[in-house]
Amino acid sequence: DQQVKQNSPSLSVQEGRISILNCDYTNSMFDYFLWYKKYPAEGPTFLISISSIKDKNEDGRFTVFLNKSAKHLSLHIVPSQPGDSAVYFCAATPNNNDMRFGAGTRLTVKP
Amino acid sequence: GAVVSQHPSRVICKSGTSVKIECRSLDFQATTMFWYRQFPKQSLMLMATSNEGSKATYEQGVEKDKFLINHASLTLSTLTVTSAHPEDSSFYICSARDRGAKYQPQHFGDGTRLSIL
Repeated sequence: DQQVKQNSPSLSVQEGRISILNCDYTNSMFDYFLWYKKYPAEGPTFLISISSIKDKNEDGRFTVFLNKSAKHLSLHIVPSQPGDSAVYFCAATPNNNDMRFGAGTRLTVKP
Repeated sequence: GAVVSQHPSRVICKSGTSVKIECRSLDFQATTMFWYRQFPKQSLMLMATSNEGSKATYEQGVEKDKFLINHASLTLSTLTVTSAHPEDSSFYICSARDRGAKYQPQHFGDGTRLSIL
């Protein structure tokens, strides 16, 4: 069951511009949302998270926005850098145990 | 940041062999560790939740007798794929969460590529 969906399998942006990665979820019990970055043959690396009591969390170039009414979250990266090129996974959990992942979005930042 | 070590990174073995994968949290204590499986071009699928000192909780469709999980200490969980067959070939990844506050992210190991011939 696809409780977490990333509908864009890939995204390409120019260096210096903003990257916006989107994620939708269906389970209203989810209360903690995370973004992970993954390189080939490596495990996912935690980037940023947000709990359901907030609608925005910012960490340097990375900002996560949560719209609970729309069951939608997004990750903004600005300015984008070539080193940001990777697969980004959105994840959500109702109790920080049963974490469900989206299918991932491959971001390519062109120099 | 938190570090999770997973070993081995790659295993190639014959059908019928049992394979053990270790997952260690290096700089924090993890009451709970998680085991995932990733098929090519797909997302991570949770297989089981490993609880220190108790039995693992398996997701629906995951055979507990095929995938044995042991979580003997707060820093180590093991996954044993018993009598592995070619269809068990996959990328297995573990994660761990610090047993502190509720809103703590899971940190992942680098995964184990299992290839059964």
